[in-house]
Amino acid sequence: QQQVKQSPQSLIVQKGGISIINCAYENTAFDYFPWYQQFPGKGPALLIAIRPDVSEKKEGRFTISFNKSAKQFSLHIMDSQPGDSATYFCAASMRFNAGKSTFGDGTTLTVKP
Amino acid sequence: NAGVTQTPKFQVLKTGQSMTLQCAQDMNHEYMSWYRQDPGMGLRLIHYSVGAGITDQGEVPNGYNVSRSTTEDFPLRLLSAAPSQTSVYFCASGDRQETQYFGPGTRLLVL
Repeated sequence: QQQVKQSPQSLIVQKGGISIINCAYENTAFDYFPWYQQFPGKGPALLIAIRPDVSEKKEGRFTISFNKSAKQFSLHIMDSQPGDSATYFCAASMRFNAGKSTFGDGTTLTVKP
Repeated sequence: NAGVTQTPKFQVLKTGQSMTLQCAQDMNHEYMSWYRQDPGMGLRLIHYSVGAGITDQGEVPNGYNVSRSTTEDFPLRLLSAAPSQTSVYFCASGDRQETQYFGPGTRLLVL
């Protein structure tokens, strides 16, 4: 049973557009929801994260929207740039146990100039 | 700070061989984890540790062993390599603030 489902698998966006990636989770005990960005040949790096006590978190051009009742969260990239082209992973873990994270399958984002 | 370091960067093994993937962190993190990344499957947790002397299994532990004798090091041992273990392996460390920091990865090919 896949506990974190991510969509779409790939996404192509024009420069300046909005990129939206969605994730859904099963386990209601999850309470930490990070997004990671990975460039080819590199390890994932934390981009932004949210806890279920807030519905939205914004850091620069990146926003997480969180819907606890629907068990869904999404990443929005505003004013997408070619440098944002990467693979994005959502993840979920329980309190103080991020070392045991469950990841989505990833979304490959291509931003066309 | 070097962060999380992994060696080797790339390794080719024959079926049945054993090897150890090294992982070290210099951030004094309690938590360390090993993941494997396969195309289209995201990262899957192999083993993790919440401190020296404490390890536990993740989602895909079969064929792998770990130990955590120090806070800094968390080696992953492949006991008898199989082609199904061809993958990219990432080590990560983190503290109670829950951010995980990933190493650069080890690309393993088992023939």
